[in-house]
Amino acid sequence: QSVLTQPPSASGTPGQRVIISCSGSSSNIGSNTVNWFQQLPGTAPKLLIYSNNQRPSGVPDRFSGSKPGNSASLAISGLQSEDEADYFCAAWDDSLNGYVFGTGTKVTVL
Amino acid sequence: QDQLVQSGAEVKKPGASVKVSCKASGYSFTDYQIQWVRQAPGQGLEWMGRINPNTGDTNFAQKFQGRVTLTRDTSINTVYMELSGLTSDDTAVYFCASSAGFPFAYWGQGTLVTVSS
Repeated sequence: QSVLTQPPSASGTPGQRVIISCSGSSSNIGSNTVNWFQQLPGTAPKLLIYSNNQRPSGVPDRFSGSKPGNSASLAISGLQSEDEADYFCAAWDDSLNGYVFGTGTKVTVL
Repeated sequence: QDQLVQSGAEVKKPGASVKVSCKASGYSFTDYQIQWVRQAPGQGLEWMGRINPNTGDTNFAQKFQGRVTLTRDTSINTVYMELSGLTSDDTAVYFCASSAGFPFAYWGQGTLVTVSS
């Protein structure tokens, strides 16, 4: 029951820039900050971006986030083979009084 | 080093309950909320609820209200998630995540719960 909508897949060649969108509504993305997670196969998700555009220490600056209005986006610059993973967005939803996650986007490095 | 370690995989029959533990170390346990998220096979992430380890206050996703219980034992820095009335739809990997510093900053390794007759 994902409330945030993401494209199911995205791809690029090494070195390219890939952008993943996350569409929500005024009750979630429109009024709260967005977090992004990377999940490699068989592992727990890892926080990539918090508060729309902040990177925890250790996350490469190739990853950046933005939040225009009721949607958000994650950009991966200089795509590398190790970036091949699933990516999820998340935000608090004031109407549901809980966190909601995106549907997830699988990034493939061609 | 901040980390969360979860209990091992479980196999349960329909209608049973399961209790998963999540032990925190490396940070002040009572200062940050712990969230619970699950992921069914091949599916996305689903938020279940959260607990304030200091006060014990909880809130849950509407879908899990009345079926999930979150408790904590501050003497051993551990949070417990108990899910009752299991069905095959509850087969999933269950994760705990600490909001130490940032929301969902640190994650446990996950606990596979399989519901099968």
